Amino acid sequence: SQQGEEDPQALSIQEGENATMNCSYKTSINNLQWYRQNSGRGLVHLILIRSNEREKHSGRLRVTLDTSKKSSSLLITASRAADTASYFCATDKKGGSEKLVFGKGTKLTVNP
Amino acid sequence: DARVTQTPRHKVTEMGQEVTMRCQPILGHNTVFWYRQTMMQGLELLAYFRNRAPLDDSGMPKDRFSAEMPDATLATLKIQPSEPRDSAVYFCASGLTGSGYGYTFGSGTRLTVV
Repeated sequence: SQQGEEDPQALSIQEGENATMNCSYKTSINNLQWYRQNSGRGLVHLILIRSNEREKHSGRLRVTLDTSKKSSSLLITASRAADTASYFCATDKKGGSEKLVFGKGTKLTVNP
Repeated sequence: DARVTQTPRHKVTEMGQEVTMRCQPILGHNTVFWYRQTMMQGLELLAYFRNRAPLDDSGMPKDRFSAEMPDATLATLKIQPSEPRDSAVYFCASGLTGSGYGYTFGSGTRLTVV
């Protein structure tokens, strides 16, 4: 079964707006990672946040982690048409030998 | 930039045939994953290796799938015999445990079994 579940399943916004995607998971984790997948391509690692971190930034990306609620969010600020892709969270379960399990993803469409 | 190389990119085969997919991980990475992606199931973890040793292949149908890592530069995923329900995109990913940099994915092998 999937460890992480993203929400919403699909999101459509206008260029320049912010996009927020959420991920919930079930068990304690070592870290949580976000990946992007453009249509027909492999996944690209965006950011990793460890279980003892609460927030992390990388360029226009901001990731938060709330281990008490077992949830994470990915915020993309000032979105661009090129951000159109599917976004996945993946969790590395604590005690799970860094086995990386993915959710089903959020499909983001940024309209020009 | 270093990349994970997967071959072939596309494979069309008839039901019952053997299929072998190959992956060349990034030099220096000690962990290799195999995933299968379909619209219905999303990304399913099939198997993974650490320092070439198999750690978990519980996601793989054992009767027809096998995964090996004969050396540090090659990981293989075999299906024998293949079935139409195996049609999917198969991804390999490699990374260095505990590095904090996540994993690098290959471009995938799109398998169609007819």
